[in-house]
Parts: sequence; C-alpha cells; structure tokens
Amino acid sequence: DGGITQSPKYLFRKEGQNVTLSCEQNLNHDAMYWYRQDPGQGLRLIYYSQIVNDFQKGDIAEGYSVSREKKESFPLTVTSAQKNPTAFYLCASSTDSSYNSPLHFGNGTRLTVT
Amino acid sequence: AQKVTQAQTEISVVEKEDVTLDCVYETRDTTYYLFWYKQPPSGELVFLIRRNSFDEQNEISGRYSWNFQKSTSSFNFTITASQVVDSAVYFCALSDLSGSARQLTFGSGTQLTVLP
Repeated sequence: DGGITQSPKYLFRKEGQNVTLSCEQNLNHDAMYWYRQDPGQGLRLIYYSQIVNDFQKGDIAEGYSVSREKKESFPLTVTSAQKNPTAFYLCASSTDSSYNSPLHFGNGTRLTVT
Repeated sequence: AQKVTQAQTEISVVEKEDVTLDCVYETRDTTYYLFWYKQPPSGELVFLIRRNSFDEQNEISGRYSWNFQKSTSSFNFTITASQVVDSAVYFCALSDLSGSARQLTFGSGTQLTVLP
C-alpha cells in the first residue's frame, strides 16, 4: 500500500537536544511538507520541498531544518533553537506543489521536550 | 492575506442527528481552492473534498454534503445521519496563489463528537 510513514509515533527529548523526525513516502510524489499542529491552532507550515535538493521555508521555520536528498524522504530536525518544540508534527506529500493538489498525510509524531 | 475561520470549536451530537460544520474564508484572489480534511483519533488527516472557486455546485457523497456559497465566502460541510465513526476533528483549508507557490491555510478545526 502506498502512503506516508512517520516515525517514531512518540518522541521524548531533553531541552537543548536536537531531534530528527523521519518522513518517508512511496507515493512517488514530488512535493513534501512539514506541518506543526498545536491545540486549537490548526496546522502551520514549517517547510516544504517541491523537488529533490530544494526546499523552502514556511510560516514558522525558525528553529527547524530539513533536507531532501531523496524523493522519498524529507526528515525534519527540531533544533535547540526552537523555543517551544513540544507539538504534534505532521508530514504530507502531494503529486506536485500546485495549489490545487490535495495533500496526503502521515500519522504524525508527537514530540515532547522537557 | 488569506484566512479560514471555523467558529465552532467543538460540536457534540447524538447518533443519527444531522450536523453542519461551518467554514468561512477570506482571500483576495479570484481563483482559489477549498478543501475539507478529517483527522480521526489516529492522527493522520484524510482528504475529503476539493472545490475550486468557479464551481459553486453543491456536492453530495453518501452521507456527506458540501454547500459552497461565494456570496458569503462560506464552504459548509453537512453530515447526515451521523455515526460514531464520524467523531474526529474536521479542518477546512484554503489554497490560493498569494505568496509562495504553495500557500495552504487551515482553519483551527472543529472537534465533532457523535454519541451513541
């Protein structure tokens, strides 16, 4: 079955540590995205990538970094510079980055930083 | 700037009742797309429907129906004869061409609880 796999489902880290969230897709989609979800705030875009080796900042990129070395993979690193990293992180993909393409989402990673 | 408002934070209904989830949007573009997504307790968002700004026909898919009205900038979602499995958070989203190549704005979501 094609889909998006995010791992792990739950992640716990100490403050000051960088942490990398995994996102893999086998849908052969060109575009991939990272969203952050906080209670009552909907989804906010962190980074997106339209093609391999290219990515763009979203609305809340500060304290995050990404890479897109393979079409299938779009890992997100939450750095120690992110002031409030505890949140639910969702990875998504679409066939392309045109504005009418529906997004396909993974199951998310819940990150808790203490 | 684009904006999506889902004023209903939480709705609770009893099974078999009809329920309407409201969505009001703002955009300066004349060409845009509207989406609804469902987020069950498992966490992933599931795409339900896409509607472009030039197509104001209402759509029905089984127990789901959508009412798009440009005059009031609304794209409401109705579930007929609700079931417990409909319990989820529902997000309305707007995609237009302002700003970056991909600018998808989500509303804050409506938590729907269907009681048996």
